[in-house]
Amino acid sequence: EVQLVESGGALVEPGRSLRLSCAASGFTFDDYAMHWVRQAPGKGLEWVSGINWNSGSTGYVDSVKGRFTISRDNAKNSLYLQMNSLRAEDTAFYYCTKSHDGDFHDASDVWGRGTMVTVSS
Amino acid sequence: DIVMTQSPDSLAVSLGERATINCRSSQTILYSVDNKNYLAWYQQKPGQPPELLIYWASTRESGVPDRFSGSGSGTDFTLTISSLQAEDVAVYYCQQYYSTPYTFGQGTKLEIK
Repeated sequence: EVQLVESGGALVEPGRSLRLSCAASGFTFDDYAMHWVRQAPGKGLEWVSGINWNSGSTGYVDSVKGRFTISRDNAKNSLYLQMNSLRAEDTAFYYCTKSHDGDFHDASDVWGRGTMVTVSS
Repeated sequence: DIVMTQSPDSLAVSLGERATINCRSSQTILYSVDNKNYLAWYQQKPGQPPELLIYWASTRESGVPDRFSGSGSGTDFTLTISSLQAEDVAVYYCQQYYSTPYTFGQGTKLEIK
């Protein structure tokens, strides 16, 4: 069974850092681009960042550029999101997603259940 | 950034009737090299992560009932549910994956009339 399991969400103070992880199983991880998508409570979806299969290409939404870093470890079948200088507006459920056919420019066909990040003093 | 605008924001349809959701992009998401529209539709039920329904604007994901269909090209797209079932109550999102950031529409909440 194809599965994505996020972890690392927490309540943190503004300005602090947090690292999210996503453990993948049931598919050949290094064949697929991966993404992070977030959803603030009661709000819509926002694509945050993506990375291609070999980490050669990454992308970010403007609001997190310079603060968040996406990375992956294909040997560990894991995706990460390093989040620095966190702001209240980063509060959201963070979903890890798998690209449908492997390419960076692709829909997301598998989603994890998400991990909650709350930024508040 | 490409802005995705859905209409309507909410929709109430009777069981067995047709539901239509529209999505417009602020610029074309049709890539001339491969003639594909880089658009997906997702369904999100309360308390659950989104699920992929349609990709390349009109290709149904495996396991998705055939009452769901996608159409359109360039900047204007439509998701149609041909005969609404109770389990289709959800919020529906379109997303472009033509260029980063891969923006979503604001969502359309579908309810039973």
